[in-house]
Amino acid sequence: DTGVSQNPRHKITKRGQNVTFRCDPISEHNRLYWYRQTLGQGPEFLTYFQNEAQLEKSRLLSDRFSAERPKGSFSTLEIQRTEQGDSAMYLCASSLAGGDEQYFGPGTRLTVT
Amino acid sequence: GQQVMQIPQYQHVQEGEDFTTYCNSSTTLSNIQWYKQRPGGHPVFLIQLVKSGEVKKQKRLTFQFGEAKKNSSLHITATQTTDVGTYFCAGLGSNYQLIWGAGTKLIIKP
Repeated sequence: DTGVSQNPRHKITKRGQNVTFRCDPISEHNRLYWYRQTLGQGPEFLTYFQNEAQLEKSRLLSDRFSAERPKGSFSTLEIQRTEQGDSAMYLCASSLAGGDEQYFGPGTRLTVT
Repeated sequence: GQQVMQIPQYQHVQEGEDFTTYCNSSTTLSNIQWYKQRPGGHPVFLIQLVKSGEVKKQKRLTFQFGEAKKNSSLHITATQTTDVGTYFCAGLGSNYQLIWGAGTKLIIKP
């Protein structure tokens, strides 16, 4: 296994369009996390999964954001009706269990024009 | 809610000088983790501290966890150009979620 992968690496979209990102975690990892990071800031927690169950979602996350991990393996993050404020790096991370070190993917950089 | 404050935001050092970043939590942490993010890269795990008063070393890096498990520090001795990046602390809170500091950017002056 080569680590956490994310696709696409870059996405440019027009305001109002929907976008979907994919994350493939390390195969034996039960936990999968989504973060958003803007320039000069630390990762901002969005949501996480324990296997296929979404256990927590940030209160900062609007209803336009939804995430799934249907079979407990890969995950998708969808943003509907994108806004310019959604422009950021979206990071996915996985860990073996809660509290363990997290392994990050390279991220998907979203630009909303 | 639980917060982790990290200072300074930036530190400019000459190559060979030391660097230190500090994290303080509003509440007791179960553990604290440190990550490094190179420019244009993603966070990479460095170390985890669990015990009160714990000190761990990795070559020129020294990590400390406070007695009350509310603060932590990372000290780099004799910085090198390869140390450039942003160092984040992340504390494990009561809900078993990581609470991230804002990071300290290490800049090596030419």
